[in-house]
Amino acid sequence: NAGVMQNPRHLVRRRGQEARLRCSPMKGHSHVYWYRQLPEEGLKFMVYLQKENIIDESGMPKERFSAEFPKEGPSILRIQQVVRGDSAAYFCASSPETSAGELFFGEGSRLTVL
Amino acid sequence: GESVGLHLPTLSVQEGDNSIINCAYSNSASDYFIWYKQESGKGPQFIIDIRSNMDKRQGQRVTVLLNKTVKHLSLQIAATQPGDSAVYFCAEVTSGTYKYIFGTGTRLKVLA
Repeated sequence: NAGVMQNPRHLVRRRGQEARLRCSPMKGHSHVYWYRQLPEEGLKFMVYLQKENIIDESGMPKERFSAEFPKEGPSILRIQQVVRGDSAAYFCASSPETSAGELFFGEGSRLTVL
Repeated sequence: GESVGLHLPTLSVQEGDNSIINCAYSNSASDYFIWYKQESGKGPQFIIDIRSNMDKRQGQRVTVLLNKTVKHLSLQIAATQPGDSAVYFCAEVTSGTYKYIFGTGTRLKVLA
């Protein structure tokens, strides 16, 4: 049973370009979370999605950032017109249900904006 | 000993000694707690969890203690090994919600 798969693992973009980060949750998991992490800092919540629904996007900047989790395919975190401050590691986690249970994390996507 | 770095507090221990990593949680309604280990360049990995109806839970070389009175969680690692060097995060959540709250993390350095 494959774990949470994120790609790309590393992404380099120039200012103004778009970044698309993908997350395939564990098999059977219908809940996806995205977190952002700066070097030497903790995990900052961005968005929580269930299949075809955004449940809570309160941690995501209102401009340039969007997320989706379609009925088929991976969850996508999209950052438009990237700026240097978007450089960070973006982690996806999944869970089978909304409950007090373990979150399973991917290995992260590291975005570098030149 | 402990020191505060630029962002992450750091705990340095000698190999073979026991480590204790502490976490103060924020929400008195939280009833499920998890410790994660994050190695450099990797995603957080589950270590051990505990529910609020318990005050202690043991795993292999790890023990989690929960003190609900003072909202304090600790992770004890017995006979610390070089492979234990990582950043450790605590997380809290209330059953039925999705609001996992992560602590700032503690970097554990194991000295040979």
